[in-house]
Amino acid sequence: EPEVTQTPSHQVTQMGQEVILRCVPISNHLYFYWYRQILGQKVEFLVSFYNNEISEKSEIFDDQFSVERPDGSNFTLKIRSTKLEDSAMYFCASSDPQGGYEQYFGPGTRLTVT
Amino acid sequence: AQSVTQLGSHVSVSEGALVLLRCNYSSSVPPYLFWYVQYPNQGLQLLLKYTTGATLVKGINGFEAEFKKSETSFHLTKPSAHMSDAAEYFCAVTFNTGNQFYFGTGTSLTVIP
Repeated sequence: EPEVTQTPSHQVTQMGQEVILRCVPISNHLYFYWYRQILGQKVEFLVSFYNNEISEKSEIFDDQFSVERPDGSNFTLKIRSTKLEDSAMYFCASSDPQGGYEQYFGPGTRLTVT
Repeated sequence: AQSVTQLGSHVSVSEGALVLLRCNYSSSVPPYLFWYVQYPNQGLQLLLKYTTGATLVKGINGFEAEFKKSETSFHLTKPSAHMSDAAEYFCAVTFNTGNQFYFGTGTSLTVIP
């Protein structure tokens, strides 16, 4: 069964450094999303991406964040200058507009900012 | 504003007992409702969903949920808990294809042998 994959599974970085989290969505899906889950808290929406542009973003998704689909398979989240409070699990998801409303989630990347 | 409330951040049941995890939503438009399960150190796995049609929906691992519009609820149940059901359960709502999901705060289910 097709699945969303994410790399790396765990990323440790120093405060102020840039990180790029990578995702490979399910191949025929057209909507892509990033969510984050701070330890012990609920899953929060960051951004959605469709037709090569951001379709929706939350207030969390400020200027330090950016997303890109650099080729036909990858979807990336870049954090330009990481802060301690960016430490969280980051989930990528994708959905098929013809296939219903559910989103398929990857296993997540645990980002630790020290 | 849309929101999802899960009553009970921690629920403990005995093995073989009924599992009931509560979810209520707030919305001014018809919702599409989901339950996801998260096992330790893993991602979110879809358990079941309600989009249209029958309000009682069945999912994987023997779970089911009923959409009650009058009560704005979508509670998750399983007649008999198994040890393998121990996990974190999230209720989520969306309103259109491609829209963000709004998640509840999650309920951690413990199954006591």
